[in-house]
Amino acid sequence: AQKITQTQPGMFVQEKEAVTLDCTYDTSDQSYGLFWYKQPSSGEMIFLIYQGSYDEQNATEGRYSLNFQKARKSANLVISASQLGDSAMYFCAMRYLYSGAGSYQLTFGKGTKLSVIP
Amino acid sequence: DVKVTQSSRYLVKRTGEKVFLECVQDMDHENMFWYRQDPGLGLRLIYFSYDVKMKEKGDIPEGYSVSREKKERFSLILESASTNQTSMYLCASSFVSSGNTIYFGEGSWLTVV
Repeated sequence: AQKITQTQPGMFVQEKEAVTLDCTYDTSDQSYGLFWYKQPSSGEMIFLIYQGSYDEQNATEGRYSLNFQKARKSANLVISASQLGDSAMYFCAMRYLYSGAGSYQLTFGKGTKLSVIP
Repeated sequence: DVKVTQSSRYLVKRTGEKVFLECVQDMDHENMFWYRQDPGLGLRLIYFSYDVKMKEKGDIPEGYSVSREKKERFSLILESASTNQTSMYLCASSFVSSGNTIYFGEGSWLTVV
């Protein structure tokens, strides 16, 4: 079974600074995908970034990058130049990539609440 | 734009009532999911469906059932609502073949009194 661990319930960061949100995962499978979602107080889940287990390069999307360390089973999210609008809950998630009914769903961590300070 | 629409944003129901949460997607996705979100627990999968009339239990199916009679619609049913089902419910959908594209609705906040 998959398990996602986010050890930081809450974090603070100064505006314009970079911040790293931790995520570790547990799986014995070789083919999987890792996701980060942002959830503002309004509730919608916003997809930020994706990393496949076979991708050799770390994923980047604008100010977001994913620090993927496969041997350590970690997939930390790095947000550069934090903005006030980055204040939100952040969730790390994982799914298997093989075919079959059991592979389709995402398993989520418990989330990290990020607060950006002016 | 892909849209996943949850019929009710906020609901207040009484203990013992039957509750329906509806979700509709407009992208012809095969997969649809219902998650429950509680503070400190993250999102937990209740049920998912990979085709019309097909359903699979997730991690916390007790007290819930689902219905998928049409491809675009996935309903979550609380047969007899209880106060411990007060929560935020999120619907999501995706193609079977997509590795990284899963779309979420805006969530339904359910309070059972």
